[in-house]
Amino acid sequence: EIVLTQSPGTLSLSPGERATLSCRASQSVSSSYLAWYQQKPGQAPRLLIYGASYRATGIPDRFSGSGSGTDFTLTISRLEPEDFAVYYCQHYGTSPLTFGGGTKVEIK
Amino acid sequence: QLQLQESGPRLVKPSETLSLTCTVSGGSISSSSYYWGWIRQPPGKGLEWIGTIYYSGSTYYNPSLNSRVTISIDTSKNQFSLKLRSVPAADTAVYYCARSDVPYGAVGTGYFDQWGQGTRVTVSS
Repeated sequence: EIVLTQSPGTLSLSPGERATLSCRASQSVSSSYLAWYQQKPGQAPRLLIYGASYRATGIPDRFSGSGSGTDFTLTISRLEPEDFAVYYCQHYGTSPLTFGGGTKVEIK
Repeated sequence: QLQLQESGPRLVKPSETLSLTCTVSGGSISSSSYYWGWIRQPPGKGLEWIGTIYYSGSTYYNPSLNSRVTISIDTSKNQFSLKLRSVPAADTAVYYCARSDVPYGAVGTGYFDQWGQGTRVTVSS
């Protein structure tokens, strides 16, 4: 089973700042099968990024994903008020698929 | 626009079976392009994959739940279902159904691009 470790646990930033979220895998993720989700309180997760770097339909270009192998990053170039939420990474392509523990991006 | 809606009992007694159904509208569950999955989230915690099914009936389960889980599909009703047997209190969670895009050659596991709103199930006597 691939264990995904997200850091930091909480990121305190102001609107307009850049957010950098990390997701580290316990073993190499094949073919960069890594996705990122955003979840707001009381809502279902929303797909942001798949294939490590491909934005899902309708996702603003301030969200970008990068990385390969065991180290992946989600970057939000300039935080908007609606971006304060919890973010999860997820690997896929092998079973079991797993999620990281999440990073909370909160308003400083 | 594709929509997924979970339904089923919100309260289940310990040791009994949790049963949920996901109704898909705005698209066909028989599409060969997608799989269909269940994910859960205990209160205040992260996400856990339960399992995934293809329209053909092929299933892929999380080994940690494999002995207690059955996922089935009814293409005539555009629905798929989850049964989780012998539930303890630790199975209390919000349960989501979702559409999964599985890359060619992958082992039945993909990313989830469309989600239901989730349904909270409490296991308690």
